[in-house]
Order: sequence, then C-alpha cells, then structure tokens
Amino acid sequence: DSGVTQTPKHLITATGQRVTLRCSPRSGDLSVYWYQQSLDQGLQFLIQYYNGEERAKGNILERFSAQQFPDLHSELNLSSLELGDSALYFCASSQDTGTSGRFRGTDTQYFGPGTRLTVL
Amino acid sequence: AQTVTQSQPEMSVQEAETVTLSCTYDTSESDYYLFWYKQPPSRQMILVIRQEAYKQQNATENRFSVNFQKAAKSFSLKISDSQLGDAAMYFCAYRVPNFGNEKLTFGTGTRLTIIP
Repeated sequence: DSGVTQTPKHLITATGQRVTLRCSPRSGDLSVYWYQQSLDQGLQFLIQYYNGEERAKGNILERFSAQQFPDLHSELNLSSLELGDSALYFCASSQDTGTSGRFRGTDTQYFGPGTRLTVL
Repeated sequence: AQTVTQSQPEMSVQEAETVTLSCTYDTSESDYYLFWYKQPPSRQMILVIRQEAYKQQNATENRFSVNFQKAAKSFSLKISDSQLGDAAMYFCAYRVPNFGNEKLTFGTGTRLTIIP
C-alpha cells in the first residue's frame, strides 16, 4: 500500500458526460501528479500541483482540469468525454523539496491504485 | 525533449533464473534520476529501484539491481532468482530535479513472464 488513495476505482459513463476523479496524497506529501495510461499513448503526464498551486502542465486537454485543495487532496475533472478518454488515470504524490536541487529521496513519486474510466 | 526507450516489449524467464530488462534514454541534462516501476496485473504502479545520475555506484534492492551506464545512456534492470510474483509490466522512467519539471517520463514498458 503506497499510502495514496484514489476514488472511485472504476467509472463507466457515456460520451459527453463529465466526471471527477479524486486523489488523497500520502501524509506529508505536498505534490500531486496526474498521469493517464492508455493503450495507444502509454503513461503520460497530465498535470502537477504543489501545495495548492499548479506547478507543471503536460499534454492535458482543455476539456480536463484539476485542482488541489487546502487539505492537499486533488481532483481531476474530465468533461465532454469522448471514447478516446477511456484510460487508467493515476495520481502520484511526493514530498518534493519545493526548490530545485539535488535529489534527496524525498522526491520519489508514489502512485495510487488508479481509476479506470470507461466511456461508452 | 527527453525520451525513454524500452526495446523489449516482452521477456520471459524461468523461475529462479536471472533476467535483464533494457532501457535507454536521451537527455542533454547532466543531473537526473532514473527509476524502474513494476505494474502487476492489479495495475498498481510500484517503485522497484531508483538511481541518481551523479552516483557511480549501481543501485541494488534485494534481488533487483541496475546497470547504469551514463555515457551510453543505458539503464538496465537485473532481476535475480526470478519469482512468480515478479510477473508484471516493468516501466523505466526518468526525471530531472528542476523546479517545475519534476514529471516522470516513461518508456513503453516490458511485459515479463515467469515460467514455472
């Protein structure tokens, strides 16, 4: 058990709908990362939040958005869903140092169990 | 842009034998970190081992060890005394420590089968 929790485990919805995925990081971790794992794109970084603020963005679609709340949990919102959005969505957390610098082992990303999204 | 390549989509090994999974990467950075993650059928992503590029010594974790060749940009994973529980997808990943660029870049994975 990594200490990172994600809900729900499975989500089945229809095209055009909107869903929210939730992630609670490990105790003490300030950074939350969202990744998408699909058959054709592999594991892709979507977005990172650090202590409530957006820190980095990857190839995240405009239909997708995220936020991190004061208690550090994060939500990924997916709207106007398409068939191609079907994938496994992972949340990962790490302490991160808050500044650039040499790796101290606190920057390892620990992954949650993922949310499997199926769009029909 | 950094890229990570795993050229072996599938590998198999007899139980108790040793297997090596390959990974190469492309980067212009001098300071970075490399990881191997394991994804069993449960789909959980589990950290297996990590290597800091500034360390010359290869990382080891019990039956898992790496062969890190910085000049060749190669980072292979050796699994000794393979066990049935080692069956999984294995992903090689790369990251830099730079502020705002801490994301993991993953390879496409190698599916490892353990033959009893």
